[in-house]
Amino acid sequence: GENVEQHPSTLSVQEGDSAVIKCTYSDSASNYFPWYKQELGKRPQLIIDIRSNVGEKKDQRIAVTLNKTAKHFSLHITETQPEDSAVYFCAATANAGGTSYGKLTFGQGTILTVHP
Amino acid sequence: DGGITQSPKYLFRKEGQNVTLSCEQNLNHDAMYWYRQDPGQGLRLIYYSQIVNDFQKGDIAEGYSVSREKKESFPLTVTSAQKNPTAFYLCASSMAGGPYEQYFGPGTRLTVT
Repeated sequence: GENVEQHPSTLSVQEGDSAVIKCTYSDSASNYFPWYKQELGKRPQLIIDIRSNVGEKKDQRIAVTLNKTAKHFSLHITETQPEDSAVYFCAATANAGGTSYGKLTFGQGTILTVHP
Repeated sequence: DGGITQSPKYLFRKEGQNVTLSCEQNLNHDAMYWYRQDPGQGLRLIYYSQIVNDFQKGDIAEGYSVSREKKESFPLTVTSAQKNPTAFYLCASSMAGGPYEQYFGPGTRLTVT
């Protein structure tokens, strides 16, 4: 089955700096890669996602890049703010069809702390 | 906090007792999922269902059971066979035929002593 590794497990930056979180996946058939943000005590929420037919996607200060050959994808946050502090999870899924549709495998999470 | 709800927020049980966690959604989603979250381990899939009256085991199904009798509801039972049941449980839903964004409920924190 799919295996997703996420690094680093913790990341501390100063306000205004950039933050990068990286994930690798094992199943070359994976074609959907979402990133979720979970604030303390709250539910995970999707912040950006990318499909395998695209190499990069941006949404304001957030971007995701995908390297299918190397089987890794990364989250980039620019001009970080204290409210970006949270746990970030990457995930991957293979559109294998049938009953496997939408079955996400998550990384272990990265605790991001942005210091004012 | 509409869309997908879980109850209760906190649940305490004695060892050896079965307990059922509720998950309801009004998003008209066909697919529903149960995850377990432990510190440092991310979210691990317990069970998922793509359609009413059908469900599949996820990566850590042992000691858990589910039912999907209605599109809106996907209850999870933590049985006494689950060796380490204390955890944060998250329910999610999405459109079927995807993969599509999964929307999460607020979670239930279960403590078994």
